[in-house]
Amino acid sequence: KQEVTQIPAALSVPEGENLVLNCSFTDSAIYNLQWFRQDPGKGLTSLLLIQSSQREQTSGRLNASLDKSSGRSTLYIAASQPGDSATYLCAVERRWYSGGGADGLTFGKGTHLIIQP
Amino acid sequence: DTEVTQTPKHLVMGMTNKKSLKCEQHMGHRAMYWYKQKAKKPPELMFVYSYEKLSINESVPSRFSPECPNSSLLNLHLHALQPEDSALYLCASSQAPGLAYNEQFFGPGTRLTVL
Repeated sequence: KQEVTQIPAALSVPEGENLVLNCSFTDSAIYNLQWFRQDPGKGLTSLLLIQSSQREQTSGRLNASLDKSSGRSTLYIAASQPGDSATYLCAVERRWYSGGGADGLTFGKGTHLIIQP
Repeated sequence: DTEVTQTPKHLVMGMTNKKSLKCEQHMGHRAMYWYKQKAKKPPELMFVYSYEKLSINESVPSRFSPECPNSSLLNLHLHALQPEDSALYLCASSQAPGLAYNEQFFGPGTRLTVL
């Protein structure tokens, strides 16, 4: 069974710092890896998706990398801002099976990030 | 437009009630999902629909009954729930099963309280 672990569980830093959030998964047979942010009591906002054949994706101040063979991904946040405060979730999509259907995501427990003004 | 809408936003129900949660997307996506999220926990997959057919049921109790009437709409029918079923229920959609790039987009969720 796929297990996804995120480190650290919580992080509090001053504004302006560059951050690295870590995600690891036990089964390298993944299809995609997706990073989300979740604000308290809200739904999930998709940040980046990395396909299993890719190594990196960038969107604005965010950069996500994937090392599928070692079962690791990192999310790099540059020049952090108070508005970045949220819980960041890493999720992997299992390999699409020959049944022709989509598959769901397995999530880590998240990193709770606080950016101090 | 990458919007998934869910109604209602909040729902309080007794253990003998029957209620339904609704999810809608107009992005032309052909895969739709239900997830359950308990407080301080990550979302957990419940059901997956691919091309309006139920493709995955993660051993969810029968008191939860999903329905996909058309490609834009996903319902979750609730009956005889237990207090431990109280959670945030999240709906998601993605473009098409089997695509290499299958980004999932989530709705804001329905906060369910079972008394």
